[in-house]
Amino acid sequence: DQQVKQNSPSLSVQEGRISILNCDYTNSMFDYFLWYKKYPAEGPTFLISISSIKDKNEDGRFTVFLNKSAKHLSLHIVPSQPGDSAVYFCAASLGRGSTLGRLYFGRGTQLTVWP
Amino acid sequence: DGGITQSPKYLFRKEGQNVTLSCEQNLNHDAMYWYRQDPGQGLRLIYYSQIVNDFQKGDIAEGYSVSREKKESFPLTVTSAQKNPTAFYLCASSMVTDTQYFGPGTRLTVL
Repeated sequence: DQQVKQNSPSLSVQEGRISILNCDYTNSMFDYFLWYKKYPAEGPTFLISISSIKDKNEDGRFTVFLNKSAKHLSLHIVPSQPGDSAVYFCAASLGRGSTLGRLYFGRGTQLTVWP
Repeated sequence: DGGITQSPKYLFRKEGQNVTLSCEQNLNHDAMYWYRQDPGQGLRLIYYSQIVNDFQKGDIAEGYSVSREKKESFPLTVTSAQKNPTAFYLCASSMVTDTQYFGPGTRLTVL
Protein backbone atom coordinates (compact mmCIF):
# COMPACT_ATOMS: atom_id res chain seq x y z
CA ASP A 1 0.00 0.00 0.00
CA GLN A 2 1.37 3.40 -1.01
CA GLN A 3 2.17 5.46 2.07
CA VAL A 4 3.19 8.44 -0.04
CA LYS A 5 0.90 9.44 -2.87
CA GLN A 6 1.27 11.82 -5.76
CA ASN A 7 -2.13 11.77 -7.37
CA SER A 8 -1.31 13.90 -10.39
CA PRO A 9 0.88 12.00 -12.83
CA SER A 10 1.46 15.11 -14.91
CA LEU A 11 1.33 18.90 -14.76
CA SER A 12 1.76 21.42 -17.57
CA VAL A 13 2.62 25.07 -16.81
CA GLN A 14 3.60 28.07 -18.87
CA GLU A 15 7.07 29.52 -18.38
CA GLY A 16 7.10 32.26 -15.74
CA ARG A 17 4.02 30.99 -13.95
CA ILE A 18 3.85 29.05 -10.69
CA SER A 19 4.07 25.25 -10.62
CA ILE A 20 2.43 23.52 -7.66
CA LEU A 21 3.14 19.84 -7.13
CA ASN A 22 1.19 18.00 -4.46
CA CYS A 23 1.89 15.04 -2.22
CA ASP A 24 -0.17 13.23 0.42
CA TYR A 25 0.94 10.71 3.01
CA THR A 26 -0.84 8.28 5.27
CA ASN A 27 1.71 7.45 7.99
CA SER A 28 1.51 9.99 10.80
CA MET A 29 4.94 8.84 12.03
CA PHE A 30 6.67 10.44 9.04
CA ASP A 31 8.43 13.55 10.15
CA TYR A 32 10.92 14.38 7.44
CA PHE A 33 9.99 15.04 3.84
CA LEU A 34 12.01 15.54 0.68
CA TRP A 35 11.51 16.43 -2.96
CA TYR A 36 13.69 15.01 -5.71
CA LYS A 37 13.88 15.98 -9.37
CA LYS A 38 14.64 13.41 -12.04
CA TYR A 39 15.51 13.64 -15.71
CA PRO A 40 15.11 10.59 -17.97
CA ALA A 41 17.86 7.96 -17.67
CA GLU A 42 19.49 9.83 -14.76
CA GLY A 43 19.45 9.44 -11.01
CA PRO A 44 17.18 11.71 -8.93
CA THR A 45 18.74 14.85 -7.55
CA PHE A 46 17.82 16.23 -4.15
CA LEU A 47 15.87 19.48 -4.34
CA ILE A 48 14.55 20.55 -0.97
CA SER A 49 13.42 19.07 2.33
CA ILE A 50 11.33 19.97 5.34
CA SER A 51 11.13 18.72 8.88
CA SER A 52 7.77 18.26 10.55
CA ILE A 53 8.58 20.98 13.07
CA LYS A 54 8.27 23.50 10.25
CA ASP A 55 5.44 24.38 7.89
CA LYS A 56 7.51 26.06 5.21
CA ASN A 57 11.01 25.88 3.80
CA GLU A 58 12.29 28.06 1.00
CA ASP A 59 15.32 27.77 -1.28
CA GLY A 60 15.45 30.22 -4.15
CA ARG A 61 12.61 29.53 -6.56
CA PHE A 62 11.54 26.43 -4.61
CA THR A 63 9.29 26.42 -1.55
CA VAL A 64 7.89 23.40 0.23
CA PHE A 65 4.80 23.70 2.41
CA LEU A 66 3.77 21.12 4.99
CA ASN A 67 0.27 20.73 6.45
CA LYS A 68 0.59 18.01 9.08
CA SER A 69 -3.06 17.96 10.05
CA ALA A 70 -4.00 17.23 6.45
CA LYS A 71 -0.95 14.99 5.89
CA HIS A 72 -0.20 17.02 2.80
CA LEU A 73 2.80 18.77 1.36
CA SER A 74 3.33 20.78 -1.76
CA LEU A 75 6.24 22.08 -3.79
CA HIS A 76 5.94 25.53 -5.34
CA ILE A 77 8.26 26.61 -8.15
CA VAL A 78 8.19 30.32 -8.95
CA PRO A 79 8.85 31.34 -11.65
CA SER A 80 8.79 28.11 -13.62
CA GLN A 81 11.45 27.65 -16.28
CA PRO A 82 11.69 25.18 -19.17
CA GLY A 83 14.68 23.54 -17.47
CA ASP A 84 12.37 22.60 -14.60
CA SER A 85 10.66 20.08 -16.88
CA ALA A 86 11.31 16.73 -15.18
CA VAL A 87 9.68 14.13 -12.96
CA TYR A 88 9.35 15.26 -9.34
CA PHE A 89 9.27 12.69 -6.56
CA CYS A 90 8.00 13.29 -3.07
CA ALA A 91 9.61 11.17 -0.33
CA ALA A 92 9.13 10.73 3.40
CA SER A 93 11.07 9.16 6.22
CA LEU A 94 10.52 8.34 9.85
CA GLY A 95 12.84 11.18 10.64
CA ARG A 96 16.36 12.00 11.48
CA GLY A 97 15.89 10.76 15.00
CA SER A 98 15.14 7.31 13.72
CA THR A 99 17.68 4.63 13.07
CA LEU A 100 15.78 3.77 9.95
CA GLY A 101 17.11 5.81 7.05
CA ARG A 102 14.88 4.43 4.36
CA LEU A 103 12.69 6.70 2.28
CA TYR A 104 9.18 6.07 1.05
CA PHE A 105 8.59 7.51 -2.42
CA GLY A 106 5.53 8.63 -4.32
CA ARG A 107 5.10 7.62 -7.94
CA GLY A 108 6.17 10.99 -9.27
CA THR A 109 4.65 13.89 -11.21
CA GLN A 110 5.88 14.80 -14.68
CA LEU A 111 6.19 18.59 -14.87
CA THR A 112 6.30 20.19 -18.32
CA VAL A 113 7.07 23.91 -18.56
CA TRP A 114 6.28 25.34 -21.97
CA PRO A 115 7.49 28.68 -23.39
CA ASP B 1 35.23 14.54 -7.16
CA GLY B 2 32.99 13.06 -4.50
CA GLY B 3 30.02 11.10 -5.69
CA ILE B 4 28.29 7.85 -6.44
CA THR B 5 29.15 5.79 -9.49
CA GLN B 6 27.18 2.98 -11.02
CA SER B 7 28.38 0.73 -13.76
CA PRO B 8 27.62 -0.16 -16.40
CA LYS B 9 25.13 2.43 -17.67
CA TYR B 10 23.38 -0.17 -19.85
CA LEU B 11 23.37 -3.92 -19.26
CA PHE B 12 21.87 -6.73 -21.28
CA ARG B 13 21.29 -10.18 -19.90
CA LYS B 14 19.92 -13.39 -21.23
CA GLU B 15 17.13 -15.07 -19.34
CA GLY B 16 18.41 -17.44 -16.67
CA GLN B 17 21.67 -15.56 -16.09
CA ASN B 18 22.69 -13.80 -12.91
CA VAL B 19 24.11 -10.30 -13.28
CA THR B 20 25.82 -7.98 -10.81
CA LEU B 21 25.38 -4.21 -10.80
CA SER B 22 28.14 -2.11 -9.30
CA CYS B 23 27.70 0.83 -6.92
CA GLU B 24 30.62 2.75 -5.42
CA GLN B 25 30.66 5.91 -3.33
CA ASN B 26 33.47 8.07 -2.01
CA LEU B 27 31.31 10.32 0.15
CA ASN B 28 32.18 8.41 3.34
CA HIS B 29 28.49 7.63 3.78
CA ASP B 30 27.54 4.86 6.16
CA ALA B 31 24.26 3.88 4.51
CA MET B 32 23.66 2.62 0.98
CA TYR B 33 20.47 1.68 -0.85
CA TRP B 34 19.23 -0.02 -4.00
CA TYR B 35 16.02 1.02 -5.71
CA ARG B 36 14.25 -0.11 -8.80
CA GLN B 37 12.25 2.22 -11.03
CA ASP B 38 9.54 1.00 -13.40
CA PRO B 39 7.29 3.28 -15.47
CA GLY B 40 4.52 4.73 -13.30
CA GLN B 41 5.79 2.93 -10.20
CA GLY B 42 8.10 5.45 -8.62
CA LEU B 43 11.11 4.15 -6.71
CA ARG B 44 10.83 0.88 -4.86
CA LEU B 45 13.40 -0.18 -2.26
CA ILE B 46 15.18 -3.48 -2.89
CA TYR B 47 17.85 -3.64 -0.16
CA TYR B 48 19.62 -1.24 2.15
CA SER B 49 22.65 -1.30 4.39
CA GLN B 50 23.43 1.01 7.28
CA ILE B 51 26.79 -0.47 8.19
CA VAL B 52 29.44 -2.73 6.71
CA ASN B 53 28.60 -6.45 6.80
CA ASP B 54 24.95 -5.77 7.54
CA PHE B 55 21.96 -5.21 5.26
CA GLN B 56 18.17 -5.42 5.33
CA LYS B 57 15.52 -6.37 2.81
CA GLY B 58 13.40 -3.63 1.38
CA ASP B 59 9.95 -3.97 -0.15
CA ILE B 60 10.88 -6.04 -3.21
CA ALA B 61 13.95 -8.11 -2.24
CA GLU B 62 12.87 -11.39 -3.82
CA GLY B 63 15.21 -12.45 -6.61
CA TYR B 64 17.97 -10.07 -5.54
CA SER B 65 21.04 -10.37 -3.32
CA VAL B 66 23.58 -7.87 -1.99
CA SER B 67 26.82 -7.73 -0.05
CA ARG B 68 28.49 -4.95 1.93
CA GLU B 69 32.08 -5.96 2.51
CA LYS B 70 33.42 -2.43 2.21
CA LYS B 71 31.95 0.90 3.23
CA GLU B 72 32.40 2.26 -0.29
CA SER B 73 30.76 -0.57 -2.21
CA PHE B 74 27.29 -2.13 -2.32
CA PRO B 75 26.91 -4.45 -5.33
CA LEU B 76 23.50 -5.81 -6.29
CA THR B 77 23.06 -9.22 -7.93
CA VAL B 78 19.96 -9.82 -9.97
CA THR B 79 19.42 -13.54 -9.95
CA SER B 80 17.53 -15.78 -12.34
CA ALA B 81 14.82 -16.02 -9.66
CA GLN B 82 13.80 -12.41 -10.35
CA LYS B 83 10.75 -12.81 -12.60
CA ASN B 84 10.74 -9.39 -14.20
CA PRO B 85 14.25 -7.94 -13.98
CA THR B 86 14.07 -5.42 -16.82
CA ALA B 87 14.10 -2.01 -15.10
CA PHE B 88 16.16 1.04 -14.22
CA TYR B 89 18.23 0.40 -11.08
CA LEU B 90 19.33 3.23 -8.80
CA CYS B 91 21.86 3.19 -6.01
CA ALA B 92 21.89 5.83 -3.28
CA SER B 93 23.93 6.62 -0.21
CA SER B 94 23.60 8.79 2.86
CA MET B 95 24.73 9.31 6.37
CA VAL B 96 22.22 7.25 8.35
CA THR B 97 18.91 9.17 8.61
CA ASP B 98 20.18 12.00 6.41
CA THR B 99 19.38 13.02 2.82
CA GLN B 100 20.03 10.30 0.24
CA TYR B 101 22.07 11.05 -2.86
CA PHE B 102 21.66 8.97 -5.98
CA GLY B 103 23.96 7.57 -8.62
CA PRO B 104 23.26 7.87 -12.36
CA GLY B 105 21.52 4.48 -12.60
CA THR B 106 21.89 1.27 -14.61
CA ARG B 107 19.37 0.23 -17.24
CA LEU B 108 19.06 -3.58 -17.21
CA THR B 109 17.36 -5.28 -20.12
CA VAL B 110 16.68 -9.01 -20.22
CA LEU B 111 16.69 -10.41 -23.73
